[in-house]
Amino acid sequence: DGGITQSPKYLFRKEGQNVTLSCEQNLNHDAMYWYRQDPGQGLRLIYYSQIVNDFQKGDIAEGYSVSREKKESFPLTVTSAQKNPTAFYLCASSIGGSYEKLFFGSGTQLSVL
Amino acid sequence: DQQVKQNSPSLSVQEGRISILNCDYTNSMFDYFLWYKKYPAEGPTFLISISSIKDKNEDGRFTVFLNKSAKHLSLHIVPSQPGDSAVYFCAATTANQAGTALIFGKGTTLSVSS
Repeated sequence: DGGITQSPKYLFRKEGQNVTLSCEQNLNHDAMYWYRQDPGQGLRLIYYSQIVNDFQKGDIAEGYSVSREKKESFPLTVTSAQKNPTAFYLCASSIGGSYEKLFFGSGTQLSVL
Repeated sequence: DQQVKQNSPSLSVQEGRISILNCDYTNSMFDYFLWYKKYPAEGPTFLISISSIKDKNEDGRFTVFLNKSAKHLSLHIVPSQPGDSAVYFCAATTANQAGTALIFGKGTTLSVSS
């Protein structure tokens, strides 16, 4: 079955620690995205990538970093510079270009210890 | 500044009745609109979309209406079912501009009681 896999489902971060959230897709989609969901805040775009080895900052990129070395993978690192990392993180993909119907993974809940 | 607004955080409807979820946008460049449904601790799933060249799109119990002059769209669910209880997100983009991403509203929580 084609889809998007996010791991882990739950993640805990200690003060000053960097953590990486995994996102893999086998839909052969060119574009991939990271969104953050906070209660009552909807989905806010962190980073997105339209093609391998290229990515753009979204609305709330500060404290986050990404890489896109493979078409299938778009990991998100939450760095120690992100002072309020507790949130539900969603990875998505789309065919790319001008067609932006997104397919989402099941999400990762990140909490601070 | 919010470009996509869902001003009703919640909506309660009885089973069998119509649910109407509203969405307003401010960016006149938006030309493609989508609705997503989300259950707790899960990723959103695509529900229905509409292009700005249309004013209505229907898919089974779900219909989306677009009023471009008012920069307003609405999602109608008829008849509403308890399984429709979820958070509904409105999203918009400029489909003719490659490299852009979806902008989401804050969501409306729909509760359908039996």
